[in-house]
Amino acid sequence: QQQVKQSPQSLIVQKGGISIINCAYENTAFDYFPWYQQFPGKGPALLIAIRPDVSEKKEGRFTISFNKSAKQFSLHIMDSQPGDSATYFCAASTTYTGNQFYFGTGTSLTVIP
Amino acid sequence: GAGVSQSPSNKVTEKGKDVELRCDPISGHTALYWYRQSLGQGLEFLIYFQGNSAPDKSGLPSDRFSAERTGGSVSTLTIQRTQQEDSAVYLCASSLHGLYYEQYFGPGTRLTVT
Repeated sequence: QQQVKQSPQSLIVQKGGISIINCAYENTAFDYFPWYQQFPGKGPALLIAIRPDVSEKKEGRFTISFNKSAKQFSLHIMDSQPGDSATYFCAASTTYTGNQFYFGTGTSLTVIP
Repeated sequence: GAGVSQSPSNKVTEKGKDVELRCDPISGHTALYWYRQSLGQGLEFLIYFQGNSAPDKSGLPSDRFSAERTGGSVSTLTIQRTQQEDSAVYLCASSLHGLYYEQYFGPGTRLTVT
């Protein structure tokens, strides 16, 4: 079954707006939650990651919000730019699963100029 | 420095043939991962190596899939008796040590089984 559920499947945002992508998980043993950005024809690249000991992590325009009790985490892209148009994947892992990484199904983001 | 490289970039093969996909990780990275990405889908974890050892092979979809890593560096993913459902992009990633270290992905190998 899908260990990490991601929504929405696609998202269209105006330039300057806020893009929000949500993920939910079931396995409470997960203790590492990265977000990856993928451009067409390229491999994914790490954008930002969080451990469950903090509720928020910010790097530039990108913020991860983490709700441990709800088993949810989200990516917020502030002041979205056309160059942010890409597919975004959330993921989760733990050393207790042999370093297996479980990825969401991805969100295709389009930022309209 | 050089990133993760994969070869071939594209592979078209006939159903029933065997294929080998190669991954050259970043020098010094001890951890190596293989993933499969089907069209419009997320990344499916296949296998993880720490050094030359793969502690858990349960992510491999069937016994037609195997992987090895030699010298703590190059890895090959072998698919025997390919099926049409094996068509996907196969991605390799490496990281410095393991779980909490950034994974650097290669560009992938697009496999098409006709």
